[in-house]
Amino acid sequence: DAKTTQPTSMDCAEGRAANLPCNHSTISGNEYVYWYRQIHSQGPQYIIHGLKNNETNEMASLIITEDRKSSTLILPHATLRDTAVYYCIVRVATGTASKLTFGTGTRLQVTL
Amino acid sequence: NAGVTQTPKFQVLKTGQSMTLQCAQDMNHEYMSWYRQDPGMGLRLIHYSVGAGITDQGEVPNGYNVSRSTTEDFPLRLLSAAPSQTSVYFCASSRAGQGGAQPQHFGDGTRLSIL
Repeated sequence: DAKTTQPTSMDCAEGRAANLPCNHSTISGNEYVYWYRQIHSQGPQYIIHGLKNNETNEMASLIITEDRKSSTLILPHATLRDTAVYYCIVRVATGTASKLTFGTGTRLQVTL
Repeated sequence: NAGVTQTPKFQVLKTGQSMTLQCAQDMNHEYMSWYRQDPGMGLRLIHYSVGAGITDQGEVPNGYNVSRSTTEDFPLRLLSAAPSQTSVYFCASSRAGQGGAQPQHFGDGTRLSIL
């Protein structure tokens, strides 16, 4: 699976949009971009994933560049409960294997 | 629908003891896996299973055994605990097929300390 690069930490004011970048310049055509987050030491929580097109769900939006070498996770109205470590992961869409390779992620601090 | 359930939540062992970490899911997911997370690090894959009776090693399998006799359960066994196995252990499950397109669901973890 391709490697990803994320900033170590970011701050965001409550109520503002949080934009978390991720570089994955070696991504292959059959690799998905996944975002998970981990609050305190809880189990990672799935947020969103995409292949080529931008995606939106009730939690966030995922913007993938046309060349697919980078992406941005957008939390439209960040709250204090969104303070967490956010992991960007690329994962190959093979038949049955579903391995996730976690890096060290971005620590997002939402402040008042 | 409980999702992925891990027991126990906390455990302290002495070096050389054995124990089994339990993981159960009620979503009829074919794929299950175990990860460990050490302080300041991301999760690392220990073992995984694509269905009952099928298991395979991840990136850090040494010191751990697994089996998958049912779709629902995927226990992780430490045969002879070592201090280096002190960690937080997470179990995850997902549907199989189109592997990259299926999000994994994680349990809340088991915090294991080996003295």
